[in-house]
This record gives sequence, structure tokens and C-alpha cells, in this order.
Amino acid sequence: KQEVTQIPAALSVPEGENLVLNCSFTDSAIYNLQWFRQDPGKGLTSLLLIQSSQREQTSGRLNASLDKSSGRSTLYIAASQPGDSATYLCAVKETSGSRLTFGEGTQLTVNP
Amino acid sequence: GAVVSQHPSRVICKSGTSVKIECRSLDFQATTMFWYRQFPKKSLMLMATSNEGSKATYEQGVEKDKFLINHASLTLSTLTVTSAHPEDSSFYICSAIPGDRGVYEQYFGPGTRLTVT
Repeated sequence: KQEVTQIPAALSVPEGENLVLNCSFTDSAIYNLQWFRQDPGKGLTSLLLIQSSQREQTSGRLNASLDKSSGRSTLYIAASQPGDSATYLCAVKETSGSRLTFGEGTQLTVNP
Repeated sequence: GAVVSQHPSRVICKSGTSVKIECRSLDFQATTMFWYRQFPKKSLMLMATSNEGSKATYEQGVEKDKFLINHASLTLSTLTVTSAHPEDSSFYICSAIPGDRGVYEQYFGPGTRLTVT
């Protein structure tokens, strides 16, 4: 059974700092991995999706990497801003049509 | 884009009553929809997978007679919480996979906050 773990559970940083969020998964046979953002009481916003054949994806100040063999992914946020404060979830999909298995998220607070 | 809506966004009901939550794909046809439940400060827990025109597949430990799922059309799935109790209070999120675009990315709704008093 796939298990997804995210470290740290919570992170508080001053504005402008670069930071890394970690995600690990137990079964490396994945189809893709996705990073989401969730604001309090809201749904999920997809940030980056990495296919199993890819090593990384970038969007603006966000960069996500994937090391499938070691079962790890990182989300790098450059020059963090207070508006980045949210919970970040990673999720893996094992086959093309299957469900997503989520980690418990990292709650990020960026202090002005 | 691919937009998924949920209605209502918030609902408060009395213990013992039933409440229905709708999940709609607004600009695509969804052959598969998923229902998740999220507890405070916890991750999303998949409750069931529904495919249009067939019975939903429930995850282990989810009571199918309590959480009724209907996926009657390619743009609408409903979750009915029957005889709700305070422990059913939670944040319910649906997602949908477009069946007409050759992609399998899930698009999530904004969630429904259910409070059972």
C-alpha cells in the first residue's frame, strides 16, 4: 500500500527566504506526482505535476523535483512571500486512471 | 481550463437528517469522479470512486449505506450523507477526471464544509 509522508509538518519562515518542502513515497512505481496548495477552508489548487519520466517541473518561483528511484520529491519555493502561506500537499498516482494518495501536508507560514 | 464546482459550500444540519452535496464539472465531461473527506489539519482521505452510470467503488472502512454516491450524468455526482451524526462533520472535497481530453489529471472542487449539530 502506497504511503506518502511530508516533512516538515509545519514551517515558519521570514519573507524572502528560499525554502524546500519534502515528500517521500514508499512505492516507487508511480505514474505521476503532483503538488497542491490548499488555503484554509478551501479546495486544492494544483501547482505542479511531474510525470514519472520527468525529473522536475518549474512554474514561476516554484520548482518541483522527482527522484522516483529513491521515492522522493521536493518543492522549492524561491523568495517566499506572505501570500505563499498555505498548506502544501503532495500526492502520487500509481496508474493512469487510479486515485491519488496524499501526504498530510506541510503548513507554511511566511512572516512579513 | 477544467472547473469543478460544489454545492453547497457550507451546510449545517441536525443530527439524524440527511444532506446532499453536489459536484459538477462545468466545462468538461467527467467519466470518473472522486469523493474525499478531510479532517482538520489532516490530509485528504479517499472515500469512493464513482464512474458515470455504474455503482461507486468505496474504500475500505467507508459505509456505502451511509454515504450514498450517485453519478447519474457525465457532469454531476452527488454525495448524500444519510442519518448524519456529529462525527460526520468534516470537509468534503470532490474531484473529477475529464473523459474527453486524453488526460488523467484530477481537478478538484472547492469543498463543502458539513457541520452536524
